[in-house]
Amino acid sequence: DSGVTQTPKHLITATGQRVTLRCSPRSGDLSVYWYQQSLDQGLQFLIQYYNGEERAKGNILERFSAQQFPDLHSELNLSSLELGDSALYFCASSPRAGGDNEQFFGPGTRLTVL
Amino acid sequence: QKEVEQDPGPLSVPEGAIVSLNCTYSNSAFQYFMWYRQYSRKGPELLMYTYSSGNKEDGRFTAQVDKSSKYISLFIRDSQPSDSATYLCAMSGWDDYKLSFGAGTTVTVRA
Repeated sequence: DSGVTQTPKHLITATGQRVTLRCSPRSGDLSVYWYQQSLDQGLQFLIQYYNGEERAKGNILERFSAQQFPDLHSELNLSSLELGDSALYFCASSPRAGGDNEQFFGPGTRLTVL
Repeated sequence: QKEVEQDPGPLSVPEGAIVSLNCTYSNSAFQYFMWYRQYSRKGPELLMYTYSSGNKEDGRFTAQVDKSSKYISLFIRDSQPSDSATYLCAMSGWDDYKLSFGAGTTVTVRA
């Protein structure tokens, strides 16, 4: 158990809908990262927050957004969902913001868009 | 060409064998190198974390980094059926906020 929690574990929804994924980092970690894992693309970085502020963006679609709250939990919002958004979404956390920084992953949320 | 290349396998070995995994990369700015283990439908679990070139050993696991060749390896000694999983290499640079992952190698250890 990494100490990172994610809810829900599974999510099934329809195209065009909006969903929210939630992540609670390990105790003491200030950075939260979101990754998407699909069969054809592997693990892809989406976005990072550090202590409430956005720090880095990867290949995150405009339909997706995230935020980190004062208690350091984070939410990833996915809107206007398409079939291709079906994937595993992982949250990771780390103590700091920079490169020298072990990232610990949560169990993931499996999103299925029908 | 991908930034991090990893042979997806699959790799099948008998119990007790040495498992050898590797990745190559193209970005010379990478300084931190990691190996994660991922069981089916679970989150990646950090196995090894190394900085720059050299070797690191932790129990049955040994990680090697050769920055001059842009090549990293993971060796698993005395492999067990419980080692059956997908192994992902990952790396980042000094100022990177993200990890760049390989595609993952699926390993099966046969009892």
